[in-house]
Amino acid sequence: AQKITQTQPGMFVQEKEAVTLDCTYDTSDQSYGLFWYKQPSSGEMIFLIYQGSYDEQNATEGRYSLNFQKARKSANLVISASQLGDSAMYFCAMRDEGNTPLVFGKGTRLSVIA
Amino acid sequence: EAGVTQFPSHSVIEKGQTVTLRCDPISGHDNLYWYRRVMGKEIKFLLHFVKESKQDESGMPNNRFLAERTGGTYSTLKVQPAELEDSGVYFCASSQAAGGPRETQYFGPGTRLLVL
Repeated sequence: AQKITQTQPGMFVQEKEAVTLDCTYDTSDQSYGLFWYKQPSSGEMIFLIYQGSYDEQNATEGRYSLNFQKARKSANLVISASQLGDSAMYFCAMRDEGNTPLVFGKGTRLSVIA
Repeated sequence: EAGVTQFPSHSVIEKGQTVTLRCDPISGHDNLYWYRRVMGKEIKFLLHFVKESKQDESGMPNNRFLAERTGGTYSTLKVQPAELEDSGVYFCASSQAAGGPRETQYFGPGTRLLVL
């Protein structure tokens, strides 16, 4: 069975600084996908970034990058130049090959301080 | 293009009552998923439709939950009768045709259900 672990219930970061949100995963599948979603206080879940298990390069999307370490089974999200609007819950999720649902971690609440 | 929409945004009901949640997926998305997040816990899968067919309903907690997707468009999730432990945020997500692990699911804003 797949499992996602996010060990940081809450994080604080100074505006304009970079922050890393941790995510480790467990799966026996060789082919899988890793996702990060952002949930601001308004409630919607916003897709941020995707990393495939066979992707050789770390994924990047604007200020978001994914530090993918396959041997360690970690997929940490790095947010550069934090902004006040980055304050939100962040969820790491994964799914394996096939038409399967996402498995989520418990989330990390990020607070950006001015 | 409109995103995934859900109605209502909030619902407060008493134990024993019935509530129906609605989800309108992104147009053209065959896959529709329901998830639920109970306070302080992980977001958990409930069920998955491919068009109008239930592909996987292994996450449905019990037979008080009934999901439908008539005509392969919008979906409803009915809870009857509601219990206190059903309180949480119900998310709907949709995606295009099955494409392996790379397929991205797009989520709606959720329905916050409180059962008193």
